[in-house]
Amino acid sequence: AQSVTQLDSQVPVFEEAPVELRCNYSSSVSVYLFWYVQYPNQGLQLLLKYLSGSTLVKGINGFEAEFNKSQTSFHLRKPSVHISDTAEYFCAVSLDYGQNFVFGPGTRLSVLP
Amino acid sequence: NAGVMQNPRHLVRRRGQEARLRCSPMKGHSHVYWYRQLPEEGLKFMVYLQKENIIDESGMPKERFSAEFPKEGPSILRIQQVVRGDSAAYFCASSPPGHTDTQYFGPGTRLTVL
Repeated sequence: AQSVTQLDSQVPVFEEAPVELRCNYSSSVSVYLFWYVQYPNQGLQLLLKYLSGSTLVKGINGFEAEFNKSQTSFHLRKPSVHISDTAEYFCAVSLDYGQNFVFGPGTRLSVLP
Repeated sequence: NAGVMQNPRHLVRRRGQEARLRCSPMKGHSHVYWYRQLPEEGLKFMVYLQKENIIDESGMPKERFSAEFPKEGPSILRIQQVVRGDSAAYFCASSPPGHTDTQYFGPGTRLTVL
C-alpha cells in the first residue's frame, strides 16, 4: 500500500523568503503525485500534479515541485512567499490516475510579516 | 459555473442519531468522491461514485456508513447511529468524465457528535 509522509507539521517563514515543503512517499509501483492547498474553512484546491514527463512541475500561485524517483520525494517550493500563502498544504499520491488518493497529514505554512 | 457545493456546512448530532451529508458536484461532473479528515490528519478516501453506481468503497467503514449518487439530485453520505469518533470534516470532490486526475473539492461539512 502507498503512504505519504510530510515531515514538517508546521513551517513558519517570513514574507518574501523562499520555502520548501517536504513530501516523501512509499510505493512499490509508479504513482501520480499531487499538491493541494487548503485555506481556512475551505475545501482543497489543486496546486500542481505530476503524471509523467518533466520532473519539474509548475503550478499556480508561483509554486513548483520536483519529482525525484530515486529519493521518492515530491517537495514543493516557492522562491518568495506572500502572507496570502498562509494555509495547509497536502501532498497526495494515487496509483490509478487520480482515483483513490492517499493524502499526507499536511504541513501548516505560516507566513509572517 | 458554481463549484462543488456541500450542505450543511456544520452539523451537530447526538450519539445514536443519523447524519446525512449532501454534495452537489460541479455542472457536468459525473464522478463524486467522499473523504474524511480527522483532526490533525490528512484526508482519507472513503468512496468513489458515478451516477447510480458505487465504483470504489474500499475506504468506507463496513458498518453504519453508506453513500449514494442517484440519477437526479445530490450525492448523499449517510452515517447511522453516530458515535463521537465520527466527528470530523467530510469533504466531497467531483471530476468530469475522463478526467479523474483533477478533483474539485467542496468546502466540507464539519460533523460534531455530542
